[in-house]
Amino acid sequence: ENVLTQSPGTLSLSPGERATLSCRASQSITNSYLAWYQQKPGQAPRLLIYGASIRATGIPDRFSGSGSGTDFTLTVSRLEPEDFALYYCHQYATSPPLPFGGGTKVEIK
Amino acid sequence: EVQLLESGGGLVQPGGSLRLSCAASGFTFNSYAMSWVRQAPGKGLEWVSAISGAGTGTYYADSAKGRFIISRDNSKNTLYLQMDSLRAEDTAVYYCAKVGSGGYYGSGSYFQDWGQGTLVTVSS
Repeated sequence: ENVLTQSPGTLSLSPGERATLSCRASQSITNSYLAWYQQKPGQAPRLLIYGASIRATGIPDRFSGSGSGTDFTLTVSRLEPEDFALYYCHQYATSPPLPFGGGTKVEIK
Repeated sequence: EVQLLESGGGLVQPGGSLRLSCAASGFTFNSYAMSWVRQAPGKGLEWVSAISGAGTGTYYADSAKGRFIISRDNSKNTLYLQMDSLRAEDTAVYYCAKVGSGGYYGSGSYFQDWGQGTLVTVSS
């Protein structure tokens, strides 16, 4: 089974700083079918990135995704107060889809 | 604007049943596959089930097979999840999600839009 490992578990940063989140797969992900979701407390997840690097509709350009194969990165260029949240990666190359990553919490330092 | 509104959650005893609904608007419902994703309290996201746009293909996580049935009524723009033989470990917020790959569900299907979720609590 292709397992997604997200790191770090928690990222403590200040507004205005750059956040770099990692998602590593145990096997290569076909077609870069890797998505990133943001979830705030008490809210539903929101799609940020799909296809490893394609921003979803309405997502600010401070969010960017990169990577291929087994290593993927979500970067938030300058953290805004509303960006402090949980972030999940998910690979959708297989059907049924495999488990979501365990998540990275971006918290205010 | 896409809107997905879940309902039907609540408290149910182990072994009981519950039917969740998801009312969709703002897009051509029958042109999109739909899915259910759940989140246990304090835990991560878990895909549960999906259905193609026409309703002809259904897909289940191992945890849902044999107990849950996904269906849709395209005339009512509504997605359903019939949950039987519920267990304590089914306790979660259940989200419906519109799939980004159109009417097909399979490789390449990501979750484009999400509802606000409905809480299912299985407890005696």
